Amino acid sequence: GQNIDQPTEMTATEGAIVQINCTYQTSGFNGLFWYQQHAGEAPTFLSYNVLDGLEEKGRFSSFLSRSKGYSYLLLKELQMKDSASYLCAVKVDYKLSFGAGTTVTVRA
Amino acid sequence: NAGVTQTPKFRILKIGQSMTLQCTQDMNHNYMYWYRQDPGMGLKLIYYSVGAGITDKGEVPNGYNVSRSTTEDFPLRLELAAPSQTSVYFCASSYNRGENTEAFFGQGTRLTVV
Repeated sequence: GQNIDQPTEMTATEGAIVQINCTYQTSGFNGLFWYQQHAGEAPTFLSYNVLDGLEEKGRFSSFLSRSKGYSYLLLKELQMKDSASYLCAVKVDYKLSFGAGTTVTVRA
Repeated sequence: NAGVTQTPKFRILKIGQSMTLQCTQDMNHNYMYWYRQDPGMGLKLIYYSVGAGITDKGEVPNGYNVSRSTTEDFPLRLELAAPSQTSVYFCASSYNRGENTEAFFGQGTRLTVV
């Protein structure tokens, strides 16, 4: 099976920066995805990494180190609407396996 | 463009009843997936399909069946509902012809078995 670990919860203040770490041990690797999921809603795509390094998309950035089995999602200039669960997912062949998700709470 | 559409949104089943969760996508995606999500848990893959006529088991297939007769539709069947199948079910699809093959999710079906 696939093992994907991320912290359960994080709390941060509006305007701050939060980094969500994800470590993985999988039988293969065809890319790493980050999804955002608001309570009661479907996951929505945030970012994708397949090569080592940093990918930046506005306030969100994602980093990958394949040799370390490690990724992080960086959320900058936090807004109240960023309060959500953030899911790390690793693609192996045809399948996408998810971590349990990190619930981020943004405080005013 | 509707994306991925799931029906019903909510359902309450009695133990032993059967039902089919419907999923259809209009993006001509070849890959489709069924996940379940329990409170505080990640998404667990039930079944997936890489094209019409081809399906395969994921991590938690017991108690479920699927079919893929067309590219658009990927229904999930529960034959004998059990309380352990109380969950939120998500259908997803992706177009696996390149590198960034993000999955698009439906809005989910909230199923309670009593």
